[in-house]
Amino acid sequence: DTGVSQNPRHKITKRGQNVTFRCDPISEHNRLYWYRQTLGQGPEFLTYFQNEAQLEKSRLLSDRFSAERPKGSFSTLEIQRTEQGDSAMYLCASSFTSSNQPQHFGDGTRLSIL
Amino acid sequence: AQSVTQLDSQVPVFEEAPVELRCNYSSSVSVYLFWYVQYPNQGLQLLLKYLSGSTLVKGINGFEAEFNKSQTSFHLRKPSVHISDTAEYFCAVHAGNMLTFGGGTRLMVKP
Repeated sequence: DTGVSQNPRHKITKRGQNVTFRCDPISEHNRLYWYRQTLGQGPEFLTYFQNEAQLEKSRLLSDRFSAERPKGSFSTLEIQRTEQGDSAMYLCASSFTSSNQPQHFGDGTRLSIL
Repeated sequence: AQSVTQLDSQVPVFEEAPVELRCNYSSSVSVYLFWYVQYPNQGLQLLLKYLSGSTLVKGINGFEAEFNKSQTSFHLRKPSVHISDTAEYFCAVHAGNMLTFGGGTRLMVKP
């Protein structure tokens, strides 16, 4: 079990630029989740995939955000035209399908918007 | 919809003292309950989970939690804390297809 891997760990960019994050889940897991965590808060759900299908999206996921999981393995989260309010830690998690299975988290990507 | 309230944002405690971190939840459906720990600049690590059965669940690092359905609580306890337990602790409920987290409790263990 190599764990959930996220890249990059840190991303600093100017307002208005596009950024893309990558998540490699635990290989046996067919569910993959994205969360956003702002300073001093708990993680907030953004979206999740069952294999390659994106099954649910939060209202937090504006049209500037897009997530993909093209082959049901790794996933990417892209933010277009970044804004100051996008500064946060973006966490990826994976799990087996059953809802009572715990989610395993990566170490996150910290995004800072200048 | 579900929500999670962690009543204490910070809990200072001396090393080797007992600690309780409080968590209350609300949900219109049955839920699964989890506690996660987060060390600085890291992701979340699962401490323990309640799915069904015994209301007292034991987790890693000597932590345990008790599910109380009537009080809709899932408080986390440890009888004797160590400096290394200093971290942020998150209570979460799983209902539907996502985890809903509380705001977190920062446990600060002092020597």
